[in-house]
Amino acid sequence: EAQVTQNPRYLITVTGKKLTVTCSQNMNHEYMSWYRQDPGLGLRQIYYSMNVEVTDKGDVPEGYKVSRKEKRNFPLILESPSPNQTSLYFCASSRRDRADGYTFGSGTRLTVV
Amino acid sequence: SQKIEQNSEALNIQEGKTATLTCNYTNYSPAYLQWYRQDPGRGPVFLLLIRENEKEKRKERLKVTFDTTLKQSLFHITASQPADSATYLCALDHNNAGNMLTFGGGTRLMVKP
Repeated sequence: EAQVTQNPRYLITVTGKKLTVTCSQNMNHEYMSWYRQDPGLGLRQIYYSMNVEVTDKGDVPEGYKVSRKEKRNFPLILESPSPNQTSLYFCASSRRDRADGYTFGSGTRLTVV
Repeated sequence: SQKIEQNSEALNIQEGKTATLTCNYTNYSPAYLQWYRQDPGRGPVFLLLIRENEKEKRKERLKVTFDTTLKQSLFHITASQPADSATYLCALDHNNAGNMLTFGGGTRLMVKP
C-alpha cells in the first residue's frame, strides 16, 4: 500500500530533550515536506525537500532541523524542544510533477512540557 | 502580503444539495491549486488538482473551477451526503519560493440528513 509513515503517533517530552520524528514514504517520491497544524493557524510548512540532499526552509523553520540522506526518509529533528512546539505534525510527499497531489502521513501529536 | 482565504469557517447544508466552497488568494503565482479533505485528527487527503491553464476539473461528485484573473477557486460537491462532512482545505502549489504548498485555513462542512 502506498503510504507515508510517521513515528511516533503520540509523544510527550520535556523542554530541551532532543527528539526525532521519523517519516518514510514507499512511493519513490522526490518531494517531501513537514507541516505543523495549530488551532486557528492552519497548516504551516516547516521544511521541504525537492530531492536527496536538497532541503529548504518553509514558513516556520525556527527550532527545527531536517535531513534527506535517502529518498524515502525525511526525519524532523527538534534539538531543544520548547512548549511552543507543542503541535500536530504532518509529513507529506509527492511526485515531482505533483499530478497526484501530496500524500500525507497520519500525524504526530507532540506535547512539550 | 500573501494570503489564501477560504470564504467561511463553517458551512451547513442539507443532504442532497450542492455545497460550494470558495478559495481566494492574493500575491501568489500558483502553478497548481489543490483541494484536500481533512477529518479530525487525521492527515489531509488529496481530492483534486487544477493547473493554472485549466478552467475546470471534475471527479465523480466533485468539481473545481480556477479563475486566475479573479484569483479564485470554487469547489463544488453535488448531491452531498452526511459522509461528506469534513474540513476542506485549498492549497496553492506556487512559484513564489521554490516549490512550496501553502494552505488556506479550511472550511468545515456539515451535511445534515
